[in-house]
Amino acid sequence: AQKVTQAQTEISVVEKEDVTLDCVYETRDTTYYLFWYKQPPSGELVFLIRRNSFDEQNEISGRYSWNFQKSTSSFNFTITASQVVDSAVYFCALSLYNQGGKLIFGQGTELSVKP
Amino acid sequence: DTGVSQDPRHKITKRGQNVTFRCDPISEHNRLYWYRQTLGQGPEFLTYFQNEAQLEKSRLLSDRFSAERPKGSFSTLEIQRTEQGDSAMYLCASSLLYIRNTEAFFGQGTRLTVV
Repeated sequence: AQKVTQAQTEISVVEKEDVTLDCVYETRDTTYYLFWYKQPPSGELVFLIRRNSFDEQNEISGRYSWNFQKSTSSFNFTITASQVVDSAVYFCALSLYNQGGKLIFGQGTELSVKP
Repeated sequence: DTGVSQDPRHKITKRGQNVTFRCDPISEHNRLYWYRQTLGQGPEFLTYFQNEAQLEKSRLLSDRFSAERPKGSFSTLEIQRTEQGDSAMYLCASSLLYIRNTEAFFGQGTRLTVV
């Protein structure tokens, strides 16, 4: 069975601090995709990144970076120099190659960035 | 606006009533997904369409739920004889399958409250 675990339910930081959101996944498939989505209070899930299982290169996009490690089945997300606008719920998700693109989500991590 | 659109944004209904939600995907997207999200949880997959064909339904989708995508464009999700346990956010997403599946883009959701 496939599963995504985000052990951190809530994280609170002060603006300009760095913060890492953890994501651990389980699957026996060899071809899969991992995602991060942001859900602000408005409710819409905003796509942040997708990685496929054959690409373990870390990625950086502005203040965001992602660390994918197949050896530990983890796909962690770091925000550098956090800002109040980063406050949201962040979801990690898994999609298997042969399952039509449906997403299996973790329970989410609520990030609160205080000024 | 070329994003995924959902209507209504909020719906309050009495137990036992029927409700119908609409989703308009991004126009060129051939895949459309429905998810349900309860408070403090990640979204859970309900069903998805490729063009007008419904290809998969989750066990979460009881007989009281029905989804359609009659012309491969917009989709409707109907819940008959609503129960208090149906109270949730219903999210629609769409993606493009062309050689491989793109990431899914989500609408702002329909929040259902059954009283």
